[in-house]
Amino acid sequence: DGGITQSPKYLFRKEGQNVTLSCEQNLNHDAMYWYRQDPGQGLRLIYYSQIVNDFQKGDIAEGYSVSREKKESFPLTVTSAQKNPTAFYLCASSIGRARNEQYFGPGTRLTVT
Amino acid sequence: AQTVTQSQPEMSVQEAETVTLSCTYDTSESDYYLFWYKQPPSRQMILVIRQEAYKQQNATENRFSVNFQKAAKSFSLKISDSQLGDAAMYFCAYRNSGGGADGLTFGKGTHLIIQP
Repeated sequence: DGGITQSPKYLFRKEGQNVTLSCEQNLNHDAMYWYRQDPGQGLRLIYYSQIVNDFQKGDIAEGYSVSREKKESFPLTVTSAQKNPTAFYLCASSIGRARNEQYFGPGTRLTVT
Repeated sequence: AQTVTQSQPEMSVQEAETVTLSCTYDTSESDYYLFWYKQPPSRQMILVIRQEAYKQQNATENRFSVNFQKAAKSFSLKISDSQLGDAAMYFCAYRNSGGGADGLTFGKGTHLIIQP
């Protein structure tokens, strides 16, 4: 089955530690995205990548980093510089701008204490 | 920058009735796409319907239809014959179709309650 996988579903970390969230897709999509969801805030764009080895900051990129070494993978690192990292993180992909639907993974709930 | 506003934090409807969720947006672009996504308690985001700004005809997907008013920058979602499985958060989203920044801009969502 084609789709987007995010692991793990729940992640717990101590304050001051970096943590990497996984996102893999087998849809052969060129573009991938990371969003953050907080209660009452909707989704906000962190980073996106339209092609391998290239990525762009979204609206709330501070305290986050990404890499895109393979078409299928777009991991997100939440660094210790992120002031409020506890949130629900969603990864998405799309064929590109020619087809504009984004397909979402199941998400990772990150809790930092 | 584009903004999307959903003015109804919560809506309630009786099963089998019709409900309309509101969405307005602000953009200086002429070509763009609009979407409604559903997020049930599982938190999986599911695409409900999409609308291309250059199309005057309103999109329809089974019981879901939109009322797209480009001049008014309004994009409402109508759900007919509401079912218990329609209970979820509904998000309106905007995306540029041309160059420039990519990604979706979301509203804050509307919590839809279906009363049996």
